[in-house]
Amino acid sequence: TQLLEQSPQFLSIQEGENLTVYCNSSSVFSSLQWYRQEPGEGPVLLVTVVTGGEVKKLKRLTFQFGDARKDSSLHITAAQPGDTGLYLCAGHTSGTYKYIFGTGTRLKVLA
Amino acid sequence: SQTIHQWPATLVQPVGSPLSLECTVEGTSNPNLYWYRQAAGRGLQLLFYSVGIGQISSEVPQNLSASRPQDRQFILSSKKLLLSDSGFYLCAWRPRGRGDTQYFGPGTRLTVL
Repeated sequence: TQLLEQSPQFLSIQEGENLTVYCNSSSVFSSLQWYRQEPGEGPVLLVTVVTGGEVKKLKRLTFQFGDARKDSSLHITAAQPGDTGLYLCAGHTSGTYKYIFGTGTRLKVLA
Repeated sequence: SQTIHQWPATLVQPVGSPLSLECTVEGTSNPNLYWYRQAAGRGLQLLFYSVGIGQISSEVPQNLSASRPQDRQFILSSKKLLLSDSGFYLCAWRPRGRGDTQYFGPGTRLTVL
């Protein structure tokens, strides 16, 4: 059974601090997505990574896909209250229809 | 551009009542469609997915069912709701044959009393 473990599960930090969220699996994925979800809303796509070792940047967010395509990280620089939310990673394997979702990291950034 | 709609946004139903949640996608054709349930703001549980009209795959045995009567319409149903059916229901779509990314709808909050 494919699993994606996210860590930490909860994170509360002060505005301006940096943080990293991890998404780990023993399985290889052909791609991995990161989403942010706010209460009562659907997850919003942040990025898709498809190449081992790939690094993508979205303003203050940096995403990395592991060389072996089994893990990924999300680094936020100088966090702001607007970054508050539930961060979800999801892995996909080519030739299948299903996505494996991580358990989520709930981030709270205090002003 | 593509958009995905879900309705209703919120629903409160008594135990034993029927359910019908609707999802429609605009701006694309022949998408893969998915229904998920999310409990307590955590990870997503895949309920059903569909690769075409009338083609439904079920992931979790339960008293829910899904149908795809049209290419861009996906419906989640139940004949008799249980308390355990409460949750946040999300519909998602994925472009057929183009990329790996799923896109989510705004969700439906279902409370069964």
